[in-house]
Amino acid sequence: EIVLTQSPDFQSVTPKEKVTITCRASQTIGIALHWYQQKPDQSPKLLIRHASQSFSGVPSRFSGSGSGTDFTLTINSLEAEDAATYYCHQSSDLPHTFGQGTKLEIK
Amino acid sequence: QVQLQESGPRLVKPSGTLSLTCTVSGDSIRSSTWWSWVRQPPGKGLEWIGEIYHTGTTSHNPSLKNRVTISVDDSKNLFSLSLSSVTAADTAVYYCASGLQWFGSWGQGTLVTVSS
Repeated sequence: EIVLTQSPDFQSVTPKEKVTITCRASQTIGIALHWYQQKPDQSPKLLIRHASQSFSGVPSRFSGSGSGTDFTLTINSLEAEDAATYYCHQSSDLPHTFGQGTKLEIK
Repeated sequence: QVQLQESGPRLVKPSGTLSLTCTVSGDSIRSSTWWSWVRQPPGKGLEWIGEIYHTGTTSHNPSLKNRVTISVDDSKNLFSLSLSSVTAADTAVYYCASGLQWFGSWGQGTLVTVSS
């Protein structure tokens, strides 16, 4: 199966800061890479599909980039409500797999 | 927007079978999308369990060693999960989700505990 490795595992950041989370795939997956945000006791919410396409209703401060094996989720001008765990997900090959998650703490 | 709601027993005995249903509203189960199950053990990450298309075509995660059965009921607009021979390691929040490649809609999730 395709392994997704996110970095960092945890980051403590201040509001208005720019945040970058990376996701590396164990083999090339084209742009079949998607990003989710999960807040405590909530279900995950889709942010970005196909590496860089913003999902409906997602704030413009969230953006994605990359292709092949290396991908990035960027949050510009972080807001307090962005405190959450972020997951990448690949759908290039079955089984679907997720990264281990990156927890963002707001200082 | 499609809405998904999980239902089923919250407590299952070891070696028993976990059974959950996901009721779909706001869309037809016959629409051109895949209907999936994803789980999350307490404090851990997400694991894809399997998926079904309304035609009955299914796929599941090989890590679950053929313990998974996913079915669809067109008449009731729902799909179901059955996980056999459960152990404490199967304790998790179980989510149903939908999407062609990405999961655009998710249920609220239901915690299922495996314990005697």
